[in-house]
Amino acid sequence: EAQVTQNPRYLITVTGKKLTVTCSQNMNHEYMSWYRQDPGLGLRQIYYSMNVEVTDKGDVPEGYKVSRKEKRNFPLILESPSPNQTSLYFCASRPLAPGPGSYNSPLHFGNGTRLTVT
Amino acid sequence: QKEVEQDPGPLSVPEGAIVSLNCTYSNSAFQYFMWYRQYSRKGPELLMYTYSSGNKEDGRFTAQVDKSSKYISLFIRDSQPSDSATYLCAMSVRTALIFGKGTTLSVSS
Repeated sequence: EAQVTQNPRYLITVTGKKLTVTCSQNMNHEYMSWYRQDPGLGLRQIYYSMNVEVTDKGDVPEGYKVSRKEKRNFPLILESPSPNQTSLYFCASRPLAPGPGSYNSPLHFGNGTRLTVT
Repeated sequence: QKEVEQDPGPLSVPEGAIVSLNCTYSNSAFQYFMWYRQYSRKGPELLMYTYSSGNKEDGRFTAQVDKSSKYISLFIRDSQPSDSATYLCAMSVRTALIFGKGTTLSVSS
């Protein structure tokens, strides 16, 4: 089954304790991205990656790191989490087919990671 | 002014009603317009996808784009309790995909 898998689904941690949220897709997609979703603010992009070893900042990258060493995996790292990073996080992927509209194929989302930082 | 505006609702309708969900946008460079549906505790999933102005129909769902007015709509006919979800509009240009904040819809039986 084609899917984007995030782990863990729920995470409670304390301020300053480094954590990693994993994301893996089995669709051979070039593009992967992380979003956070907050009430009243909607989905906001944190980081994205166009391919292996290629990453770039989204709208709200502060306090986050990512890496793309393999095509299928795109972990999100919080080196020193703070309470304002309490949120619902989504990983997403899509293909980058050549030709017109190559950047606009639909995103496939994981089921989310609910993070609470106390 | 936000790039994409969407009324968060909530919107409550009885089963069988016609539902209209709307988004406005300010960036005339947006080329692709999408509607995602998000059930509770799930990630968003693509519902409709369109490029040009006009209507696109898929079963009970119709997506409408009016580029001259910078306005998009999603119509749901014969709404069902299973349509209860949050609906997010999204618009893209090149690598950027901008989401609306989502409208929460509740369909009661």
